[in-house]
Amino acid sequence: QVVESGGGVVQPGRSLRLSCGGSGFTFSFYGMHWVRQAPGKGLEWVAFVSYDGSSKYYADSVNGRFTITRDNSLNTLFLHMSSLRAEDTAVYFCAKAVRECTKTDCYARNYLDSWGQGTLVTVSS
Amino acid sequence: EIVLTQSPGTLSLSPGERATLSCWASQSVSSNFLAWYQHKPGQAPRLLIYGASSRATGIPDRFSGSGSGTDFTLTISRLEPEDFAVYYCQQYGGSPRITFGQGTRLDIK
Repeated sequence: QVVESGGGVVQPGRSLRLSCGGSGFTFSFYGMHWVRQAPGKGLEWVAFVSYDGSSKYYADSVNGRFTITRDNSLNTLFLHMSSLRAEDTAVYFCAKAVRECTKTDCYARNYLDSWGQGTLVTVSS
Repeated sequence: EIVLTQSPGTLSLSPGERATLSCWASQSVSSNFLAWYQHKPGQAPRLLIYGASSRATGIPDRFSGSGSGTDFTLTISRLEPEDFAVYYCQQYGGSPRITFGQGTRLDIK
């Protein structure tokens, strides 16, 4: 399972760091994503980090402001959010991607088989 | 970026009825890398279907997925009370830059 923490109320322009702890699986084997849901809206993908932290991708809406990192020794995923805006107000979910293995190879697949319940970030003065 | 459009926006049905939810992609989804999720308020989203038609572990067989290319469907054969929720499709072909549809709300009639 995965469990998010670190949400709260923050003023526009300030920073916040979210954490996501993984348990019950070998955390270092899997890519991880952050997905958010603004009030009354649908799911929006935010960022991805590969199993070893070497590859990162961001949505255009957060690129340059948010940084995704992971510490495999702590089984923890992070999202460092800076220059926060009102439109970043949302519930933030972390989610585990999948590995599909044949007899000879394993492939990363970015559908999400384990999600946390989310942590609410409110950007308001 | 592949844009996913779901239809209808809201579907009102009664328990025992059949639900058909659609998801259209703006371009072909490679290898039919399309997933469906169920989401209830205050809960974690739940993976239902991956690879367009494969049920995830523990998902009842009343849920089925079909389609290929740009047109995909989630069918719930006989609605149970716990099935009323919001459903999202998601594509994961070719890049970790995944995208979601805007969701279909399934309401009790």
